[in-house]
Amino acid sequence: ETGVTQTPRHLVMGMTNKKSLKCEQHLGHNAMYWYKQSAKKPLELMFVYNFKEQTENNSVPSRFSPECPNSSHLFLHLHTLQPEDSALYLCASSEILVSFDNEQFFGPGTRLTVL
Amino acid sequence: AQKVTQAQTEISVVEKEDVTLDCVYETRDTTYYLFWYKQPPSGELVFLIRRNSFDEQNEISGRYSWNFQKSTSSFNFTITASQVVDSAVYFCAFSGSARQLTFGSGTQLTVLP
Repeated sequence: ETGVTQTPRHLVMGMTNKKSLKCEQHLGHNAMYWYKQSAKKPLELMFVYNFKEQTENNSVPSRFSPECPNSSHLFLHLHTLQPEDSALYLCASSEILVSFDNEQFFGPGTRLTVL
Repeated sequence: AQKVTQAQTEISVVEKEDVTLDCVYETRDTTYYLFWYKQPPSGELVFLIRRNSFDEQNEISGRYSWNFQKSTSSFNFTITASQVVDSAVYFCAFSGSARQLTFGSGTQLTVLP
């Protein structure tokens, strides 16, 4: 595997379900990100991890719970979601967080539908 | 706070036409980077270019060219002789003192055969 991978690619869940999204980067990077992409809206940064430590939580509801066990893996645990949470969830990674030239490498995303 | 505006929501062109995608940004930072990403139907964002605020030299890469004008806070992207494979959503993004990427809302480009 190369680059940034995400599983599953598609997920349909009910509002009472609990599910997790997985992201893995094979680039040796130290910073990882979760973004939400809704139709007709800019990408919204949700969480940032740098060397496994969460450095950013952009006022994300607690029904989204991130986990970063190591620099290569990032999870997004989902529970009691709402239909408006349906979106494409993108994971990204970059070498380090502190640099301005924050080139990020993105995974293919998980298309989430909440019924 | 920074803001990135891509006023063109959707553009359609016929193959071989040239097309320019507009990007305007707002910031108080003096040091920053600007980016363009391409999002094909498969979903992942593909990095196209990065430009820092001190380098206003235009850049050309094959059929792609970028025009950075600090005076108008614009970073426009031109595709010459467009091809069907260029059809995608294109995002302009900004990175400054907040060390985060701020994205525009994207421009859906459709190139018709």
